[in-house]
Amino acid sequence: DIQMTQSPSSVSASVGDRVTITCRASQGFSSWVAWYQQKPGKAPKLLIYATSSLQSGVPSRFSGSGSGTDFTLTISSLQPEDFATYYCQQAKSFPLTFGGGTKVEIK
Amino acid sequence: QITLKESGPTLVKPTQTLTLTCTFSGFSLSTGGVGVGWIRQPPGKALEWLALIYWDDDKRYSPSLKSRLTITKDTSKYQVVLTMTNMDPVDTATYYCAHIVGASPFHYWGQGTLVTVSS
Repeated sequence: DIQMTQSPSSVSASVGDRVTITCRASQGFSSWVAWYQQKPGKAPKLLIYATSSLQSGVPSRFSGSGSGTDFTLTISSLQPEDFATYYCQQAKSFPLTFGGGTKVEIK
Repeated sequence: QITLKESGPTLVKPTQTLTLTCTFSGFSLSTGGVGVGWIRQPPGKALEWLALIYWDDDKRYSPSLKSRLTITKDTSKYQVVLTMTNMDPVDTATYYCAHIVGASPFHYWGQGTLVTVSS
């Protein structure tokens, strides 16, 4: 199984800040990482797929990068609507696995 | 427009079997590459993938839960059914179904249904 270790588990940031969230995979691969945003009481929303492809309708302040074992989600300028929990997911092989989540909170 | 919606009991007793139905629209499970998966999320915790069924009836399960899960599809009814046996309070969670194509991530999700396991 490919384990996805996400860090940090939480981050406090202000509007306008740059926020970086990392997922480390237990095995190396590329192009099979997705990132989701989840707000309380709502289903996850796909932000990034194939490591760096922006899902249609998602603001360009969100970006993804990485390869091998280290993958990153960056929010270039945090907006009020971005306060949420973010999850990474690997689609390289079964079982599909998610990271533990990162809660982005208001500072 | 792709939509999915989960339905089933909100409360089950320990040792009972849970049956959840995902009813979807906007796509067909007879289209090559298309699949429907189930993911759950205990209150305040992370997402956990459970099972997935593809258009060709290829089925995949979480190894840790494989002995308790069965996923089936009814293409004509646009439904996917997940059964989980021997429910325990630790299985209390919001259960989501979601659309997938090939090895892509889950692009479309249902709203989720909270299932509580308690006597």
